[in-house]
Amino acid sequence: ETGVTQSPTHLIKTRGQQVTLRCSSQSGHNTVSWYQQALGQGPQFIFQYYREEENGRGNFPPRFSGLQFPNYSSELNVNALELDDSALYLCASSSTAASPRHEQFFGPGTRLTVL
Amino acid sequence: AQSVTQLGSHVSVSEGALVLLRCNYSSSVPPYLFWYVQYPNQGLQLLLKYTTGATLVKGINGFEAEFKKSETSFHLTKPSAHMSDAAEYFCAVSDGDSGYALNFGKGTSLLVTP
Repeated sequence: ETGVTQSPTHLIKTRGQQVTLRCSSQSGHNTVSWYQQALGQGPQFIFQYYREEENGRGNFPPRFSGLQFPNYSSELNVNALELDDSALYLCASSSTAASPRHEQFFGPGTRLTVL
Repeated sequence: AQSVTQLGSHVSVSEGALVLLRCNYSSSVPPYLFWYVQYPNQGLQLLLKYTTGATLVKGINGFEAEFKKSETSFHLTKPSAHMSDAAEYFCAVSDGDSGYALNFGKGTSLLVTP
């Protein structure tokens, strides 16, 4: 069984640029959630995708957007990068068929640095 | 929205001593509660979860937690700490209003000394 994978591992961008982060969900999982973890903080929920549509969103501006593909993989896009966007971005997958549905499995994360 | 508070951002114990990491939750409905561990430069690994049923939950690596509704607590314990337990620990509650998103505490860094 393949776990959650994320790419790239590390990324350096400058302010104002755009970035795309990628996530492949665990085999059999149909839901993907994205979290932002700033240094020294707990992860914060960005949004969740189910059936290729956004299925819940945290307190993040519209310049954070996402996609889910038919194979359940997902992308997180961030436009107009700001210095405060520097963080570890975590992807988590889950299954609506599982019990409990709330159990999420995390990938290793992408470390984004904005200069 | 549901939330959790982790008391103590840093906890230090001696190897072999009891580990106690505190988590209190706020919820208007029966919560789903989780403990995750994060090693340096890694993602989150699920230690244990409470959904329904037995209030004492056993997890991996000898950890367990007890759901106490009267105290709105879900503290994590381990009878005897190992050096390998040194990591960041996060308590989380599931928010059914946002597609079962997890709301995390700020984390507790566990240091284990020889």
